[in-house]
Amino acid sequence: EMVLTQSPGTLSLSPGERATLSCGASQSVSSSYLAWYQQKPGQAPRLLIYGASRRAAGVPDRFSGSGSGTDFTLTISRLEPEDFAVYYCQQYGSSPRFTFGPGTIVDV
Amino acid sequence: EVQLVESGGGLVRPGGSLRLSCAASGFTFSIYEMNWVRQAPGKGLEWISYISAAGSTRDYADSVKGRFTISRDNAKNSLFLQMNSLRAEDTAVYFCVREDNFYDSSDYNFYYYVDVWGKGTTVTVS
Repeated sequence: EMVLTQSPGTLSLSPGERATLSCGASQSVSSSYLAWYQQKPGQAPRLLIYGASRRAAGVPDRFSGSGSGTDFTLTISRLEPEDFAVYYCQQYGSSPRFTFGPGTIVDV
Repeated sequence: EVQLVESGGGLVRPGGSLRLSCAASGFTFSIYEMNWVRQAPGKGLEWISYISAAGSTRDYADSVKGRFTISRDNAKNSLFLQMNSLRAEDTAVYFCVREDNFYDSSDYNFYYYVDVWGKGTTVTVS
């Protein structure tokens, strides 16, 4: 069964800084099956990136995704105050249909 | 506006049952595959169930297989999750989510992701 790991667990940064979040897969993942979500306290997750690098509608271009195989990265080029949140990577598989990583907390 | 609104959560005793509902609006519900995802307090996200657009194919996480049943009523734009034999570890916020998938002929790839989430409904088993 696929396992996703995310690092670091917590990323402490300041507004204006660059954030680099990593997602590792226990088996090779098709890039088109890899997505990233943002979740703020008390809210549902929001789709940021699908297909490893394609931004979802309405997502600012400071968010970018990259990677292939077993290593994927979400980059936030310049953190805005509203970007402090938890970020999850997710992959599509046969069963379980979707697997999520444990999340990375980006805090001030 | 595309919207998913869950209902039916609450407090239930271990061994009890609950039926969650999800009302969809703002899109053609009948052509989309749907899922339920849950989040235990202070924890991450866990996919628990899938249903195809026509309702003919269903899938479950091992953690709920045999206890939960997913269904849908396309005429009423509604998704359901019947939860039986509830356990303390089923305590979570349950999200109704829309899956999108498509084939991109420019790169010969299929894409799969969750693009719409409801706000969730809280289930407490205690």
